[in-house]
This record gives sequence, structure tokens and C-alpha cells, in this order.
Amino acid sequence: GAGVSQSPRYKVTKRGQDVTLRCDPISSHATLYWYQQALGQGPEFLTYFNYEAQPDKSGLPSDRFSAERPEGSISTLTIQRTEQRDSAMYRCASSLAGGDEQYFGPGTRLTVT
Amino acid sequence: LAKTTQPISMDSYEGQEVNITCSHNNIATNDYITWYQQFPSQGPRFIIQGYKTKVTNEVASLFIPADRKSSTLSLPRVSLSDTAVYYCLVGDGKAGTALIFGKGTTLSVSS
Repeated sequence: GAGVSQSPRYKVTKRGQDVTLRCDPISSHATLYWYQQALGQGPEFLTYFNYEAQPDKSGLPSDRFSAERPEGSISTLTIQRTEQRDSAMYRCASSLAGGDEQYFGPGTRLTVT
Repeated sequence: LAKTTQPISMDSYEGQEVNITCSHNNIATNDYITWYQQFPSQGPRFIIQGYKTKVTNEVASLFIPADRKSSTLSLPRVSLSDTAVYYCLVGDGKAGTALIFGKGTTLSVSS
């Protein structure tokens, strides 16, 4: 695609519910990143993929968070049993290869009530 | 991972040159220095990347001294639209690194 897209753009959910966020990277990009960004803070790394491989999950805050990229293109980030502290902007970025310039999507604003 | 330190905020006027300095005392031999810009309600956008000396593109210049323990992003003749948060990142360019954005520097440009 022309750029990185994410859906939904906004998600409001009740505490305890599961949510799944979607990222559609630039089609030629091998590497895909997920970040969490709180208001007034910079993006914080969650995890990344090289094609379908997920070499680094170290940034995922807890085992309630998981991510997939089964066919090396679209990725999903799932948060189980959401908590209010999970409320944040979730950003996806992709790059041609690891370490290259990252192109960010518009983000998904998650609000847990 | 090398930690970076940059000013929390800076103010400038239209038409002035703005220099934002980032300290990275523990930079490793293989690390590159990358700057991103973020406007409110948007994702970060790549500005410039360098390893040593000076790099210039159509948007900015990046100055890196010989010891590479700091770097300076230079924005020539800023305009109101340059009001944004600027992040300095240091990493070896491999996937999974260079991912610490920190709080960045909030640049406010006034007329």
C-alpha cells in the first residue's frame, strides 16, 4: 500500500475485554514494529517482526499482550483482559529492513473504561 | 543500548536557525544516530541519520563531533509548521535496536 494503515483508529472497550488491533504495513517492507505511546511520552517499543518471525518480544508489558504476523504482511496486536492502564495510542511502523527508516501508521487510540 | 539526553523543550521564532543537541555518552562503535519528528496526533517521521561528521538533506543537517558522544540537529530558518517533538535515537541499525525514543524535545516556533 501507499503507507502504513492501522485499524481501528479508535477503540473504546470495557475493562476485562479482549481487543485486537490491526496493522497493514507498506507492502515491500520486511520489518514491522509495534509501539505503545502514552500522552506526552515518546513511543515505547513493544515487539517487532522480520517477515513472520518475531525475534524480540521484550517490550511487551505482560503476557496479556501478544502479536502475530502469520504471513509476513499484516500484523495484529491482541490485548487480553484489558486494564485501564492499557489505555494509550498503539502505533505500528514498518521498514524495508531492520534498522532502516521506519514509516509509522496513524495509530489506534485505545481507551479502556 | 546507549541512553540519550536532550532538552525537554525549546522556543524559537520564525526564520531562525534551531539547533537541538543530544548527548549519548555511551554510544557504541556500530551505533548510528537517527532523528525523528512527531507532530501532534501523528506518528513519528524520519528526519535524518548519520554516523560521523556532517550529514545534510533537504530538511536538516546533523553534526556529529569526532568522539560521537553528542550530536546536533540543525533546522535552518524554521517556520510555524516546524513546531513538533524531535527525538534523538541511537542504535546499531539492526532490527530491534534504535528503538528508544525517550521524551524528545518539544520545539515551539512563534511568529
